[in-house]
Amino acid sequence: EADIYQTPRYLVIGTGKKITLECSQTMGHDKMYWYQQDPGMELHLIHYSYGVNSTEKGDLSSESTVSRIRTEHFPLTLESARPSHTSQYLCASRKGTQTMNTEAFFGQGTRLTVV
Amino acid sequence: KQEVTQIPAALSVPEGENLVLNCSFTDSAIYNLQWFRQDPGKGLTSLLLIQSSQREQTSGRLNASLDKSSGRSTLYIAASQPGDSATYLCAVNWNAGNMLTFGGGTRLMVKP
Repeated sequence: EADIYQTPRYLVIGTGKKITLECSQTMGHDKMYWYQQDPGMELHLIHYSYGVNSTEKGDLSSESTVSRIRTEHFPLTLESARPSHTSQYLCASRKGTQTMNTEAFFGQGTRLTVV
Repeated sequence: KQEVTQIPAALSVPEGENLVLNCSFTDSAIYNLQWFRQDPGKGLTSLLLIQSSQREQTSGRLNASLDKSSGRSTLYIAASQPGDSATYLCAVNWNAGNMLTFGGGTRLMVKP
């Protein structure tokens, strides 16, 4: 069973507000990922991390930022939310090294609506 | 370019039918392939992980196969049930990268 948690599950917020989406895992996984998914559409990688103090941007350009100060925690921040940021944000993690990657586990997602 | 394709995008079957979902990938140098299930508005649930050295994996009524040379994986669901209705996604981890590349998914509806 996956032990990866996202909060909040749902968020409605006004334009211009700063928000942080939380993602935590208790499996000791070094690799963590943020994906963005619009309803009925494909998942797009926006950020990933190979370990503490390691973060990279993904394939989809995003105005969000991430940090990885602790292994278990990978928060995503939007400094100034806009309606175009309305989407579902999914966090994932897995164990891996340079040459090995294991099964990936996903959180339940945060559905963000910016009004 | 490394891409993952799932066809059909949607599938509707009567309860009890055995069915096969398809996943194609453009580069055969994969490290592993993972099948997921996603219910509406929810996250992804891992179903099966197949390493590149494996030909198939089984879990209950699910069986996933992998044919790297032809760039294909299939997910076989036996005796389908209405509770199997969901979107099924395959994702590939290529040797050179650490990211999962997802297909567009197949939206399955099993009618009672």
